[in-house]
Amino acid sequence: GAVVSQHPSRVICKSGTSVKIECRSLDFQATTMFWYRQFPKQSLMLMATSNEGSKATYEQGVEKDKFLINHASLTLSTLTVTSAHPEDSSFYICSARVELAGDNEQFFGPGTRLTVL
Amino acid sequence: LAKTTQPISMDSYEGQEVNITCSHNNIATNDYITWYQQFPSQGPRFIIQGYKTKVTNEVASLFIPADRKSSTLSLPRVSLSDTAVYYCLVGPASGGSYIPTFGRGTSLIVHP
Repeated sequence: GAVVSQHPSRVICKSGTSVKIECRSLDFQATTMFWYRQFPKQSLMLMATSNEGSKATYEQGVEKDKFLINHASLTLSTLTVTSAHPEDSSFYICSARVELAGDNEQFFGPGTRLTVL
Repeated sequence: LAKTTQPISMDSYEGQEVNITCSHNNIATNDYITWYQQFPSQGPRFIIQGYKTKVTNEVASLFIPADRKSSTLSLPRVSLSDTAVYYCLVGPASGGSYIPTFGRGTSLIVHP
C-alpha cells in the first residue's frame, strides 16, 4: 500500500516555541490531507482538512492561528503549532487521501508525539 | 455522516476468534464500512473494507447484514500482538467530500 511519512516522529519543545510537523505522501499524490490530534486513551480528533493550494478547513474549536496548516504540494502538508503550551502536548497524525480508479483510498502517517515542557 | 457505535473494550485469549460489532444505523446507500487497527503511538492501519455481505482477506473477515445497519469484524485465532484499538468508519468510497471521522473505537486486550 501507499506510504505516508511524518517528520519528526517525536519532538520536545519549550513552552512558547513553534513546532513544525511534516506529512508526506511518498509514492502517490494526495488530493486531500487531514490532520488529527489524539490524547492518551482517546480517539483521533479531526483538526483540519486541507487540499493542495487552498486554505485548510478547520474543525470547530480548533484555532487556525495556532495550528497553521500549509499544503503547498500534492505530496506535502505541514502543521505548525505556534506558541506551543503544555496543553498542546499530544499525538498528531496526518492522513492522505487519493482517488484510485474512482475509489477513495485513505492512508495514515505514523504520528508525531509532541511534548511541550 | 453516519455515526458509529462500538463496545468500548473487549477481552479475549490467544487462539480465540474475536468478533467486534459496530452499529451504524443511518448508513447511506453509497457508504462503505472500513475498519482500522491502531497500536499505541502509531497511526491507524487499514484492516478491511466492505459494502455488503462478507469480505475476507488475509487478516480478518467483515460480515455485513442485508440492512447494513451494523457490521462485525472477525479476527480468527487472535494472538497477543492483536491487542490494539479497532475503529470502524463509515463513508463513501468515492467523491471528494468525505471526511473520515473516528468514533471511540474498541480496545481489544488479548490475554495469554
